[in-house]
Amino acid sequence: QVQMVQSGPEVKRPGASVRVSCKTSGYNFINFGLNWVRQAPGQGLEWMGWISPYTRDTEYPQSLQGRVTLTTDTSTTTAYMDLRSLRSDDTAVYYCARSSGRDHAFDVWGQGTLLTVS
Amino acid sequence: DIQMTQSPSSLSAFVGDSVTITCRASQTISNYLNWYQQKPGEAPKLLVSRAFSLQSGVPSRFRGSGSGTYFTLTISSLQPEDLATYYCHQSYMSPRTFGQGTRVEI
Repeated sequence: QVQMVQSGPEVKRPGASVRVSCKTSGYNFINFGLNWVRQAPGQGLEWMGWISPYTRDTEYPQSLQGRVTLTTDTSTTTAYMDLRSLRSDDTAVYYCARSSGRDHAFDVWGQGTLLTVS
Repeated sequence: DIQMTQSPSSLSAFVGDSVTITCRASQTISNYLNWYQQKPGEAPKLLVSRAFSLQSGVPSRFRGSGSGTYFTLTISSLQPEDLATYYCHQSYMSPRTFGQGTRVEI
């Protein structure tokens, strides 16, 4: 059974940094991409970036370039999202999501991690 | 960036009705269009990939169609459990953008 279990809620001050983890199981970790998506309260979905656990290649949207870093640890099949220089508008639920190389659809999602910046 | 525009932003229908949500891309995305369902308080769930491929376990009343820049998601015979927000998503190129969502009320 494919699972993606994220770390718990976080409360941070403006200007601080946060790391959210996503522990995966039930599939071959290096065969699928890992994406991060966030959702501000009452708002839609925003793609934050992608990483290939196999090549360590990454892609980020221009809006977050320089503030977000995605990494993976193949020994523990865990993905990490680091976000720096936090602002109040970074308050959101953050999701990790798996994607295949075939169509890049996000077929399995983590349960979400609430980050509050205040 | 490719802009994804959904309509309507919300709709209300009765149990048993057929409803259609549309999604337009600002440039061609071939058939790299996915649909997600997000129920209140839950993570999104993939319903349809590559415009029309229904995911395993998704009821057959959900149907995706379209190509290029125009896509639709049709829910035939709407059920109470279909109460959710639906998002389209292009996976053609980075940044992989989402539509703004369509809230479906029963």
